[in-house]
Amino acid sequence: NAGVMQNPRHLVRRRGQEARLRCSPMKGHSHVYWYRQLPEEGLKFMVYLQKENIIDESGMPKERFSAEFPKEGPSILRIQQVVRGDSAAYFCASSQPGGSYNEQFFGPGTRLTVL
Amino acid sequence: AQSVTQLDSQVPVFEEAPVELRCNYSSSVSVYLFWYVQYPNQGLQLLLKYLSGSTLVKGINGFEAEFNKSQTSFHLRKPSVHISDTAEYFCAFLLYNQGGKLIFGQGTELSVKP
Repeated sequence: NAGVMQNPRHLVRRRGQEARLRCSPMKGHSHVYWYRQLPEEGLKFMVYLQKENIIDESGMPKERFSAEFPKEGPSILRIQQVVRGDSAAYFCASSQPGGSYNEQFFGPGTRLTVL
Repeated sequence: AQSVTQLDSQVPVFEEAPVELRCNYSSSVSVYLFWYVQYPNQGLQLLLKYLSGSTLVKGINGFEAEFNKSQTSFHLRKPSVHISDTAEYFCAFLLYNQGGKLIFGQGTELSVKP
């Protein structure tokens, strides 16, 4: 059973370009979470999604960032018009549905560098 | 405000020595507590968790942690560390029955020297 997969592992963009980060959850998991880790900092929650539904986007910047988790295919975190401050590691996690607690399994992350 | 504070950003220790990584949290509601480990250029791996019951929880790789509600702490301990324990350790919590938003501390870099 493959773990959470993220691609690309490394992404380099110039200022103003778009970045698309993909996350394939573990088999049987229908919940996806995105976190951002800035240099020398801990992880910060960005967004929590179920299939075709955003549950909590309280950590998403108001502009340029969007996320989706379609019925088919991976979850996508999109950053438009990237700036240097977007350089960070972006981690995706997935969990099973239901219950008061479901363990989140993390992917290896995508390291975004904005030149 | 809900937050996690890891009191030490770096902890150097010699191999086979004991180690304690400190974590305090602030929350007005009940929480679930976690410790994660991150090896260089990798994702996070769950070391252990406290959901309910016994306040002393044991995890993988010989680590354990104790939940202290009165002091709002969840310190991580290992009686004898190995070189392979060198990594970044993150304390985190999840608000009880309120979805999947993990709140993380800043991390503690554990460096084990021979």
